[in-house]
Amino acid sequence: AQTVTQSQPEMSVQEAETVTLSCTYDTSESDYYLFWYKQPPSRQMILVIRQEAYKQQNATENRFSVNFQKAAKSFSLKISDSQLGDAAMYFCAYRSGETSGSRLTFGEGTQLTVNP
Amino acid sequence: NAGVTQTPKFRILKIGQSMTLQCTQDMNHNYMYWYRQDPGMGLKLIYYSVGAGITDKGEVPNGYNVSRSTTEDFPLRLELAAPSQTSVYFCASVTRQRPGNTIYFGEGSWLTVV
Repeated sequence: AQTVTQSQPEMSVQEAETVTLSCTYDTSESDYYLFWYKQPPSRQMILVIRQEAYKQQNATENRFSVNFQKAAKSFSLKISDSQLGDAAMYFCAYRSGETSGSRLTFGEGTQLTVNP
Repeated sequence: NAGVTQTPKFRILKIGQSMTLQCTQDMNHNYMYWYRQDPGMGLKLIYYSVGAGITDKGEVPNGYNVSRSTTEDFPLRLELAAPSQTSVYFCASVTRQRPGNTIYFGEGSWLTVV
């Protein structure tokens, strides 16, 4: 089964600065999707960014971007110009492609604190 | 279009009781998932389904059962509730059609077993 590892249980950043959250995954599949989700205290799951494995170009969404290293099985999230509202738990997720059962696996999360 | 609807949102169960968490989606999605999330932890996959009539175990299936008689509904059954099942439960769904990279989550069901 695929595994997703987030090696940083907690991270902190100063407001307006940049922070990078790490994620690695283990798979033998070639068709898959990767996601970063934000979870505030309300427990709502909010999509931050997603990446299809077949796309070499790194995904970006405003202040959020990823560094997708397929060979290294790494999928880090960079948050630029950090804002107080970015403080939350962040989860990395892996979804198998349709031909591999579409199992959806999450990492253990990184708690991000933004200091004013 | 309501997305993914979970009920109940909050429930307190006594040890040994049983209950069903309901999950319904109105997007005709093939794939549906049940997760539990303990405090400060990630989401652990309990069961998932790739279509009506097909279900499979995830990482933590013990103490739970599921069924998928229709595309829309994917109920999670807790038999003989135990304190270890105190958690927040999430249901999610995904379309089979490409690109298939949008995951829809329910709002969560907070369950306490006392």
